[in-house]
Amino acid sequence: KNQVEQSPQSLIILEGKNCTLQCNYTVSPFSNLRWYKQDTGRGPVSLTIMTFSENTKSNGRYTATLDADTKQSSLHITASQLSDSASYICVVSAGNAGNMLTFGGGTRLMVKP
Amino acid sequence: EADIYQTPRYLVIGTGKKITLECSQTMGHDKMYWYQQDPGMELHLIHYSYGVNSTEKGDLSSESTVSRIRTEHFPLTLESARPSHTSQYLCASSVRGGEETQYFGPGTRLLVL
Repeated sequence: KNQVEQSPQSLIILEGKNCTLQCNYTVSPFSNLRWYKQDTGRGPVSLTIMTFSENTKSNGRYTATLDADTKQSSLHITASQLSDSASYICVVSAGNAGNMLTFGGGTRLMVKP
Repeated sequence: EADIYQTPRYLVIGTGKKITLECSQTMGHDKMYWYQQDPGMELHLIHYSYGVNSTEKGDLSSESTVSRIRTEHFPLTLESARPSHTSQYLCASSVRGGEETQYFGPGTRLLVL
């Protein structure tokens, strides 16, 4: 069964600090991995997408890494801001018909002043 | 900001009522999706569509039904709402082929009393 597990479940950090969120997956065959940001009461918004051959991708203060051998990904947030408070969801796409997505449970990040 | 809209944003309704959640996108995307998300939990796919007149059931069994008569419109209907249907419903769309990044609407929060 395809699964995506994220850690930690929740995280509180002070404004200006860095943090790293983890994602482990057992999706096969692997097509790509996305990180989404979901603000409370809103739909998820895509931050990054990585295919098998990519091991790092940045989007402003967000940097995602992918190790396809160990099936792990991380999302690093640099110099956090209050607006970074949200849930961060790791989503893995299977490389089969339909490209169905498997969603992780998310990490709820709170940035405090 | 993605051009995908959901109405209503919030709905409180009594048991047994028929409801339709609306979802429209103006991006010309072929594929559309409905997800159900309980507070603090991961998204679960309940319906998807590859295009006009195409509807498929997702991973999570749902008593809701969908239709796709027009490319831009993908409504979800519950014939008889029950308290167990209380949840957030998120609509998404994507271009067929390529990375197939899904763009999400803001969601509808449904409370069935």
